[in-house]
Amino acid sequence: EAAVTQSPRSKVAVTGGKVTLSCHQTNNHDYMYWYRQDTGHGLRLIHYSYVADSTEKGDIPDGYKASRPSQENFSLILELASLSQTAVYFCASSDSGAHEQYFGPGTRLTVL
Amino acid sequence: GEQVEQRPPHLSVREGDSAFIICTYTDSATAYFYWYKQEPGAGLQLLMSVFSNVDRKEEQGLTVLLNKKDKRLSLNLTAAHPGDSAVYFCAVRVYGSSGNKLIFGIGTLLSVKP
Repeated sequence: EAAVTQSPRSKVAVTGGKVTLSCHQTNNHDYMYWYRQDTGHGLRLIHYSYVADSTEKGDIPDGYKASRPSQENFSLILELASLSQTAVYFCASSDSGAHEQYFGPGTRLTVL
Repeated sequence: GEQVEQRPPHLSVREGDSAFIICTYTDSATAYFYWYKQEPGAGLQLLMSVFSNVDRKEEQGLTVLLNKKDKRLSLNLTAAHPGDSAVYFCAVRVYGSSGNKLIFGIGTLLSVKP
């Protein structure tokens, strides 16, 4: 089974500060995704990537950047964190053309 | 683009009862459908995936029905037990110029009481 890990598992950040969330997968998957989860909204796609050194905008990319330096690693960057970015963030990976996405355990981000 | 609506947002049942969750989608070309389970403090785990050529799929106490005419997907947990308490999400797969992605429903918080 695919293994997706995220770090940190929780973080408290100050408004205007920079936050980097990291994701690592060990199954050679091509696709990686970043979602945020908010009550009443389910999961919404922020950025995704289907190859190293390339990222694509998802449905809610504003205020976020992504970086895919290698096939295994995918980072989500909040250059200027804002209160509205308080949420739980999930990373996921999948093989190209595969049905299943495998999710990490999530990172709870609180921006004060 | 594709939109997915899920209901109910909260569902409470007694142990041994059935729990029924419905999702509707808007794009008739959608072909892949998923149900995920999220336990407290954890990521999402895939419960079942269904392709559009299937109307009904059963696995381990779960029944998924797909009504393509009404663009409706449902999940039925028969004989629910407290370990089934979790948030359940439906999702559909959409294709774009830069690959594929999932669109999720808002989730259903299921509580199974002994």
